[in-house]
Amino acid sequence: GPKVLQIPSHQIIDMGQMVTLNCDPVSNHLYFYWYKQILGQQMEFLVNFYNGKVMEKSKLFKDQFSVERPDGSYFTLKIQPTALEDSAVYFCASSFGTGGIEQYFGPGTRLTVL
Amino acid sequence: GDSVTQTEGPVTLSEGTSLTVNCSYETKQYPTLFWYVQYPGEGPQLLFKVPKANEKGSNRGFEATYNKEATSFHLQKASVQESDSAVYYCALGLSGSFNKLTFGAGTRLAVCP
Repeated sequence: GPKVLQIPSHQIIDMGQMVTLNCDPVSNHLYFYWYKQILGQQMEFLVNFYNGKVMEKSKLFKDQFSVERPDGSYFTLKIQPTALEDSAVYFCASSFGTGGIEQYFGPGTRLTVL
Repeated sequence: GDSVTQTEGPVTLSEGTSLTVNCSYETKQYPTLFWYVQYPGEGPQLLFKVPKANEKGSNRGFEATYNKEATSFHLQKASVQESDSAVYYCALGLSGSFNKLTFGAGTRLAVCP
C-alpha cells in the first residue's frame, strides 16, 4: 500500500539544539499530521497541515515547534530549541481528505534529547 | 475532551484461541471509529474503520461493532495466529476537527505457537 517515509529513524541531540524531522508523505495526499508518542504512553496529536497552513494544533504543539512543506517537498517538524521532554517517537501521517478518511503513518523518528 | 480507553496489555494467547480487546470512547460528537495495528519497526496501519453507529467493520478475521449506546468498539477475533502479534490501537476521528485522531494507549498482543 501507500508508504510514508520518515528521515531520520533516530536522532540524538543535546538540549537546546535545533532539530528537523522530515516526512515524505504519500504523493497525492493533501493533509499532513504529526503525532508524538512518549515511551509507554499513548500516541497524541500534535498538529495538522493543509494547503500550506496549520489547521489545528494541540497543547503539546509548543511555541518552539513549527511545521512547513516548502514547494511540495518534505513535510517537516522543527523544534527550536529542544527540551528534555521532547524525547519521544514522532509519527508523521498523511491523508487524501478528512471526515473519517484513513491516515497513513510513517515508521516514526525516535528523538532523544540529552 | 475526547478520549479512548482500551484493554491494558500485554495480552498473551496461544494460537487458535479467541481474542477480545476492549475499547471504550468518550466524545460529545459523532465519531468515526478505527482499529489500527502496528508491527515492530513500522507505523500504525489501518485494520478497519466504521463511520456509523450500529455497523460492523472487519478485516483479516478481526471485527468490531460500533456500539453507540455503550460507547464501545471492542475488537474480536475467533482464532488468533502467531502473525497477529502486534500492538493494536483503538482510535476515534471527528469530521469537524480536520481528521485529528485520538488514540487509546494500545494493547500489545503476543501469540505463542
